[in-house]
Order: sequence, then C-alpha cells, then structure tokens
Amino acid sequence: RKEVEQDPGPFNVPEGATVAFNCTYSNSASQSFFWYRQDCRKEPKLLMSVYSSGNEDGRFTAQLNRASQYISLLIRDSKLSDSATYLCVVNQGGTYKYIFGTGTRLKVLA
Amino acid sequence: ETGVTQTPRHLVMGMTNKKSLKCEQHLGHNAMYWYKQSAKKPLELMFVYNFKEQTENNSVPSRFSPECPNSSHLFLHLHTLQPEDSALYLCASSQELAGDSYNEQFFGPGTRLTVL
Repeated sequence: RKEVEQDPGPFNVPEGATVAFNCTYSNSASQSFFWYRQDCRKEPKLLMSVYSSGNEDGRFTAQLNRASQYISLLIRDSKLSDSATYLCVVNQGGTYKYIFGTGTRLKVLA
Repeated sequence: ETGVTQTPRHLVMGMTNKKSLKCEQHLGHNAMYWYKQSAKKPLELMFVYNFKEQTENNSVPSRFSPECPNSSHLFLHLHTLQPEDSALYLCASSQELAGDSYNEQFFGPGTRLTVL
C-alpha cells in the first residue's frame, strides 16, 4: 500500500461546481497534513494545512478523519483559475519527512 | 515571487558531465530539502539539511552529492548521471524541520534536468 494515495483524475468540472478530493494515508502516526497546489510546470505552493477539527479558507474546506486515515479537500464555486494539480502531503509521524501523493488533477471548464 | 531561488532553471547534460544545481533561500529558514519530481510520480525526498547539517539521505545514489555551506545555500552536485535521472529537481525550505508541528515548505521553481 502506498504511503499516501490520491485519485490522479483528471476531474473535469464546469465553472461554479463543487468538487471534492480525498487522500488516504497509511501511517497512523502521521501528525500533520497539508494540501499543496501545483500549476503546470511550476513549483508546489501551500494551499492550506489540515487541522483535526477541520478548517475553511474561503471557498476551500479541508477535513481530517483520523479513524479512517484520510483527508479531504472541498472546493465550492469552482473558478477557471482553480485548474491545477492538488497534492496531498502528510508528515511521517515522529520524523521530518513530508510524504507527497501523486496529486489529483482538476480542470475547471468554461 | 518566492523566497527560494534555483539556478539553472534548465540543464541538459551528458552522462559523463559534472554539473551543480544551486538553491538559495532568503527566508531565514533553518531547514532545506532536495526533492526529485518525475513524470507521473510523487515528489521524492532526497536530502534534508537542518542548520546546514545533513539529517537525511533518503537512499540516494552517490552520483548525487549535496552540499550545504550555510543555512541559506544548498547545492546538488551531479556526476555520471543516467538518463532515468532526468526530472524536475526542487529545492525547498522550512522554518524548522517538520517533526510534529505544521511547518510550511516553500519551494523554489526547480531545475528541469535532462540527461542525454
């Protein structure tokens, strides 16, 4: 089983749609969780951290389910500019290693 | 845009060449990282430095040799590479090592390496 698994997509959605991605992780000792965004041929950039109680930033909502070992990202009212690859990142608990998923590709269509 | 710069942005080299990648961070961070990103694969951690001391070598072949002269600069020296080493090499920095806290990593733009 991969340490961090994501559906590669692509998810093709119309503008204004709501879309959700999940990411599962295998190490139950993982302590910190993130969603990064990577545009084509660019470097990854932090979108948001994912906290135990869940957190929201504008149109973006992140959730953590420790019992089932997954995190989710919900994007409401999708914009064309949301088209990118979304990387799930998990800190390997007790270490300083960040484990990246392969990413989920989102295309928002006009 | 970001406080992490990388040079060169593109590099083409033969298998017998020796070249170096450079990374510089202007954020006052203590930890720096090298990652490899190949097509269809997740980012792979290669090396981690904390306060210019190497804390992780993630089973990387010896043809990749890192150097960290100070907390702001990180190099990756390359020699006798293979075509399968062609990839995007990303440098990142964070305030502290990840540990149990939420430490955002800031990435440089990467060096796109092609080995012929």
